[in-house]
Amino acid sequence: QLQLQESGPGLVKPSETLSLTCTVSGGSISSSSYYWGWIRQPPGKGLEWIGSIYYSGSTYYNPSLKSRVTISVDTSKNQFSLKLSSVTAADTAVYYCARHVNDILTGSILYFDYWGQGTLVTVSS
Amino acid sequence: AIWMTQSPSLLSASTGDRVTISCRMSQGISSYLAWYQQKPGKAPELLIYAASTLQSGVPSRFSGSGSGTDFTLTISCLQSEDFATYYCQQYYSFPPTFGQGTKVEIK
Repeated sequence: QLQLQESGPGLVKPSETLSLTCTVSGGSISSSSYYWGWIRQPPGKGLEWIGSIYYSGSTYYNPSLKSRVTISVDTSKNQFSLKLSSVTAADTAVYYCARHVNDILTGSILYFDYWGQGTLVTVSS
Repeated sequence: AIWMTQSPSLLSASTGDRVTISCRMSQGISSYLAWYQQKPGKAPELLIYAASTLQSGVPSRFSGSGSGTDFTLTISCLQSEDFATYYCQQYYSFPPTFGQGTKVEIK
């Protein structure tokens, strides 16, 4: 059974960089059928896709966050990571990693079929 | 950008009820729509993709319909474990986006 687990600091100071890692177990991150993505959810609010990465390193980013986001992958560790720079209180959220189904023929990213449990990151001094 | 309108935002229902949740798009998205269920403190879980295809392991009381701009999630006979928040997600247009959510609560 595929499992995803987020890890990283739960508290980040304003203007600093938020860093999270997602470890994938029960399956290979190097599958051609999937991207690997990050989604966040501010407390009491809805879901926002942040970005996704392919095992080759190819990325898609949400234009609303693109200037501050970097997603990387380490296939040797079956992990992918998120960095979000210059954070403010508005970046306080539960951050989820998820498997992002990929249309192999078109390269389009589709829906999310497996999710991590999520980790709350609070931005505060 | 595609605007998504999910309705209602809050739905009060009883066990055994048939409930429907709507997701309307500002422009046509063919069948590129997914539905998720989220329980408090938990991650969302995929219920339906391609507007009407049930994800493996999801009970058959869940069904999805629609194409173009209007989509519906139906729970045919609401069970106690179905009280949760439901989100639609479009993946026709970049970036993928989610609806605002519909909370199904006990009446």
